[in-house]
Amino acid sequence: NAGVTQTPKFRVLKTGQSMTLLCAQDMNHEYMYWYRQDPGMGLRLIHYSVGEGTTAKGEVPDGYNVSRLKKQNFLLGLESAAPSQTSVYFCASSTGVSGNTIYFGEGSWLTVV
Amino acid sequence: QKEVEQDPGPLSVPEGAIVSLNCTYSNSAFQYFMWYRQYSRKGPELLMYTYSSGNKEDGRFTAQVDKSSKYISLFIRDSQPSDSATYLCAMNLGGGADGLTFGKGTHLIIQP
Repeated sequence: NAGVTQTPKFRVLKTGQSMTLLCAQDMNHEYMYWYRQDPGMGLRLIHYSVGEGTTAKGEVPDGYNVSRLKKQNFLLGLESAAPSQTSVYFCASSTGVSGNTIYFGEGSWLTVV
Repeated sequence: QKEVEQDPGPLSVPEGAIVSLNCTYSNSAFQYFMWYRQYSRKGPELLMYTYSSGNKEDGRFTAQVDKSSKYISLFIRDSQPSDSATYLCAMNLGGGADGLTFGKGTHLIIQP
């Protein structure tokens, strides 16, 4: 009963370092998303994918890259981490039909120092 | 003007009270409305899902949508300490690939 799984759950990075957050879903969903959640800002969409091999920009894409090489996986990369990218990151997935109800992972806490 | 407005709270009520949580929105094209519950240090989980105007009930929870007023509500009856969480409203146009538009969430505290 995994649903949406994110790794790692916690990470501390130094400014300028790179890292990749991995998201895996076992619900055979077509659509996948990366959000970030910050105090006072709510959930903001970074990038999303409507199927294997596709990606698109969301509301706050700068400083991030994504890839969807397999349907079940959606990777979020930070090439050169900045303190402004300290946040909680949530991966989510959906079927993409009728209202597009989205199911979230447990979150990845990232601190950039 | 923000697309979705939601009072961040905190809203503190005694156990057993009826809780009313609300959101207003500006885009009249929104058709699908959801409520998510988020416990501390956890991901949001879907609580209620409603299409267009009307009411939907699920146990102690009732979701209400008034599209003419661009106003949605979530009512919790017989509130329990386990209901203490942040409640996020969300909505979208329907069939869109670009996710949901979220309110910022209301922090609810149920006092035992």
